[in-house]
Amino acid sequence: EAGVTQFPSHSVIEKGQTVTLRCDPISGHDNLYWYRRVMGKEIKFLLHFVKESKQDESGMPNNRFLAERTGGTYSTLKVQPAELEDSGVYFCASSTRHSTNEKLFFGSGTQLSVL
Amino acid sequence: AQKITQTQPGMFVQEKEAVTLDCTYDTSDQSYGLFWYKQPSSGEMIFLIYQGSYDEQNATEGRYSLNFQKARKSANLVISASQLGDSAMYFCAMREVLSGGYNKLIFGAGTRLAVHP
Repeated sequence: EAGVTQFPSHSVIEKGQTVTLRCDPISGHDNLYWYRRVMGKEIKFLLHFVKESKQDESGMPNNRFLAERTGGTYSTLKVQPAELEDSGVYFCASSTRHSTNEKLFFGSGTQLSVL
Repeated sequence: AQKITQTQPGMFVQEKEAVTLDCTYDTSDQSYGLFWYKQPSSGEMIFLIYQGSYDEQNATEGRYSLNFQKARKSANLVISASQLGDSAMYFCAMREVLSGGYNKLIFGAGTRLAVHP
């Protein structure tokens, strides 16, 4: 069974450009999460989809970030326009149903560098 | 607000020895869950072990065990018989239960473990 896959693995862009990150969760996983780790800091929650619906987007930094999950399968996270402080590793995770010991399966992350 | 603290930015251990990675947490919830994830150089986050706040026994998964001390609000990860492949970043995390019963993980800053031969 394929795990959570993220594309691209690395992205280097200039300030002001647009970047779109993609996440393919494990097939059948309704829950999809985006997290971000800025260099040397904690991994921070960005948002949570249940199927195609945004359940919680309280962690999204600002309106330059737009996440979608059309059809409840893969998800995209677009940053437009990118700023220097957006640099970091963006993780996607998925899980089946929520439970007390819900285990999240993470992808390998997308390393975003904004120059 | 819930918070996870990992005070060791880096640790090293000799191969075959045991190592303890520290994690303390802060929460006002009575019911909560604690997780440890491993991030090797390849980048993916790998689930290691889970401890529920009402679990009476410390969780164990192979060479991993969680030293859960509820009164002290600590959930240290113990890796026995370290192997070179254990070299990685380790993250402690706590489950925050949101309205509707959905979960969100709160992570610590991580500890980088280096296993020396």
